[in-house]
Amino acid sequence: DGGITQSPKYLFRKEGQNVTLSCEQNLNHDAMYWYRQDPGQGLRLIYYSQIVNDFQKGDIAEGYSVSREKKESFPLTVTSAQKNPTAFYLCASSVGLLSSYNEQFFGPGTRLTVL
Amino acid sequence: AQSVAQPEDQVNVAEGNPLTVKCTYSVSGNPYLFWYVQYPNRGLQFLLKYITGDNLVKGSYGFEAEFNKSQTSFHLKKPSALVSDSALYFCAVRDRGTNAGKSTFGDGTTLTVKP
Repeated sequence: DGGITQSPKYLFRKEGQNVTLSCEQNLNHDAMYWYRQDPGQGLRLIYYSQIVNDFQKGDIAEGYSVSREKKESFPLTVTSAQKNPTAFYLCASSVGLLSSYNEQFFGPGTRLTVL
Repeated sequence: AQSVAQPEDQVNVAEGNPLTVKCTYSVSGNPYLFWYVQYPNRGLQFLLKYITGDNLVKGSYGFEAEFNKSQTSFHLKKPSALVSDSALYFCAVRDRGTNAGKSTFGDGTTLTVKP
């Protein structure tokens, strides 16, 4: 899992609550990503960021929000607007977004369960 | 739009036998192609990638993959499977032109290697 840490490993949320998932990297990577993984499905892109203070919506951004105030950190907030948030969330980083031949490095993931 | 198909949900092989995990892709331009492996409750780990040049790419843990432009395929192979290779494998594609930096992942193939 390289130099990317995610916390917590497990997270439980009550309906109507917002929760924030942490992602930190010490690889000095410019680009960071959030993916959602559901059983039997591939990874779906939620948000990505190429540089500090800039981020773009991915394919399934509704009900999620992010910030990129520091190069090392890219927290994801799962809001109450996300109707089916139970999933495994993966954070990743890469050297550069425009250098799209670079592979991504993934964190160990956070498993979110709605009670 | 770019897409990836992994036609087999499950691949079973005996230890010591060769293995193949299939991947086909669709992009509007030329692709960058990646293989990742995921062990239970962990993040993804990079195995290998195709950028340009030699169609046969060698990666980590004895894995290799062959890029076939005419068949738009990038199958993962290993000459002799190990029980420890049992895991979930993902193929991913990026279009060099559009969607710079955004990867599309297949749904994954579960490889089981039996002793």
